[in-house]
Amino acid sequence: DAMVIQNPRYQVTQFGKPVTLSCSQTLNHNVMYWYQQKSSQAPKLLFHYYDKDFNNEADTPDNFQSRRPNTSFCFLDIRSPGLGDAAMYLCATSKAERTDTQYFGPGTRLTVL
Amino acid sequence: EDKVVQSPLSLVVHEGDTVTLNCSYEVTNFRSLLWYKQEKKAPTFLFMLTSSGIEKKSGRLSSILDKKELFSILNITATQTGDSAVYLCAVPPHPPSGSRLTFGEGTQLTVNP
Repeated sequence: DAMVIQNPRYQVTQFGKPVTLSCSQTLNHNVMYWYQQKSSQAPKLLFHYYDKDFNNEADTPDNFQSRRPNTSFCFLDIRSPGLGDAAMYLCATSKAERTDTQYFGPGTRLTVL
Repeated sequence: EDKVVQSPLSLVVHEGDTVTLNCSYEVTNFRSLLWYKQEKKAPTFLFMLTSSGIEKKSGRLSSILDKKELFSILNITATQTGDSAVYLCAVPPHPPSGSRLTFGEGTQLTVNP
């Protein structure tokens, strides 16, 4: 089945220790998104890739970086996680012409100790 | 900037009750409105509404859009404990920008047995 996969589902890291979250998709969608969702809050877009074009949201901290080596994979790198970065990280994909229909992965829950 | 407001933020009911969740929006170039259900994982898609007055229905869930008054409601009849979740309302960007879904804060629904 075509889907969006995120690994790992749960990630524990230490304060300041870099961490990478991964997302892959078999939908062959042009656009891939990373959202951050903190407890009891709505998902907040961090950035998205339109093919290889990276689009950063204005209020995304520099601590967050992303890579998209090919259509199927996208990574979220957190260079120096702080306690405030503990959250659920959601990857989503869409076709370029249908950005209103985004398919979400199961999420990675990040804990920072 | 697009804005989505949901109410109530939290709702506790008993099994069998009927609930109505509200979503109002202010967007430029309205395209569609989306409802998602989120349990302890990524949001799952429920409905996409584009036209006023046409009810979308799926089992005990239904939703309708009023483009004149700029709101949508999500109804759940004969609620079950499995309906307990956060219900998110979102509006997508106008194409061709592959950008964020603007989410409301969500309504936390708790259905008690």
